[in-house]
Amino acid sequence: EIVLTQSPGTLSLSPGERATLSCRASQSVSSSYLAWYQQKPGQAPRLLIYGASSRATGIPDRFSGSGSGTDFTLTISRLEPEDFAVYYCQQYGSSPLLTFGGGTKVEIK
Amino acid sequence: QVQLVESGGGLVKPGGSLRLSCAASGFTFSDYYMSWIRQAPGKGLEWVSYISSSGSTIYYADSVKGRFTISRDNAKNSLYLQMNSLRAEDTAVYYCARIYGDYVFFDYWGQGTLVTVSS
Repeated sequence: EIVLTQSPGTLSLSPGERATLSCRASQSVSSSYLAWYQQKPGQAPRLLIYGASSRATGIPDRFSGSGSGTDFTLTISRLEPEDFAVYYCQQYGSSPLLTFGGGTKVEIK
Repeated sequence: QVQLVESGGGLVKPGGSLRLSCAASGFTFSDYYMSWIRQAPGKGLEWVSYISSSGSTIYYADSVKGRFTISRDNAKNSLYLQMNSLRAEDTAVYYCARIYGDYVFFDYWGQGTLVTVSS
């Protein structure tokens, strides 16, 4: 069974700083099947990154994804006030068929 | 523009049933796989089920298998989730989401509908 572990649980940073979020899989995941989402309070999640490194439509280029195998990273190069939110990674393809990580909250320091 | 609007949530007693609906617009519904994803209060996201564009292929999470049934009506541009034998742990916001292409990620989400299972 594939488990996605996100770290840290909470990241306290200031606007303008760089954020590095980790998603580690218990077994290898195809990069094609790894995505990242952003969720703000009271809102539905929004797709940020798919295929581990491709930005979704309308996503600013300060968001980037990288990684392969069991280690994936979402980087926000310079935090804007609207970037403070919870971020989830998601994989498809192995038992269980589809899973989300537990989330990383990026909060204002 | 793509819109997904869920409805049908509410308060139900343990053991009861509820049917959720998702009305889709702004895209060719019959071309896309669709999914339900839920989020318990204050918790993370949990995938529930997905259905192929024709309805011929369906998958469920183990936590709902045998109790929930996903279906779609392409003529009505609608997705459904029939939930039976509801438990307290099914309490969550239920989101309808469109699946993008072959790589099974969710490019559009509805605003969600809250299901509360409580006596």
